[in-house]
Amino acid sequence: EVQLVESGGGLVKPGGSLRLSCAASGFTFSSYSMNWVRQAPGKGLEWVSSITGSSYIYYADSVKGRFTISRDNAKTSLYLQMNSLRAEDTAVYYCARDLGGSYREHSFDYWGQGTPVTVFS
Amino acid sequence: SSELTQDPAVSVALGQTVRITCQGDSLRSYYASWYQQKPGQAPLLVIYGKNNRPSGIPDRFSGSSSGNTASLTITGAQAEDEADYYCNSRDISGDHLVFGGGTKLTVL
Repeated sequence: EVQLVESGGGLVKPGGSLRLSCAASGFTFSSYSMNWVRQAPGKGLEWVSSITGSSYIYYADSVKGRFTISRDNAKTSLYLQMNSLRAEDTAVYYCARDLGGSYREHSFDYWGQGTPVTVFS
Repeated sequence: SSELTQDPAVSVALGQTVRITCQGDSLRSYYASWYQQKPGQAPLLVIYGKNNRPSGIPDRFSGSSSGNTASLTITGAQAEDEADYYCNSRDISGDHLVFGGGTKLTVL
């Protein structure tokens, strides 16, 4: 059974840092691209960042230069280092797996339950 | 602003058919995937690719695409289908991913 379990969320002041983790199990982690997706309170879903199995990395413009995605295939874990946090980064952060397949057919087939991040002064 | 556009809200009578649409230039090149999200829960993939359903998704959910518009159709909507629905695809560059703003479906 595929499982994704996020941790590391919490309260932080503007300008502060947090590191999120996502522990994966039930599949060959190194074979899949992984993602972070966030959802601000009462708002829609927003893609944050992706990392392929061979560690090609992509970021949304809203976080580029402040957030760093990484993975440890040996520990089957995904990470998101968040620096210079802003109030608008307040959201639930989800870890999500890429289904894979054709480049034309992107989808997230498994999601964790999310970890909340609140940036407040 | 989102590069994929969805109607904010749609309603359907119990047992009737409803179509939820998603518009964007990137949909001329890439398929949309669709997610159902109920309050307090993580999103759930319901449709991906040309018209594929993950295991466990009822066959009343289907997907289609024409030009710059992707559609999710629920044929015979049930009370449990009341939820927010999001489309997702690549952006026009292909490197970034994008979600539509979401559609709140009410089953009357």
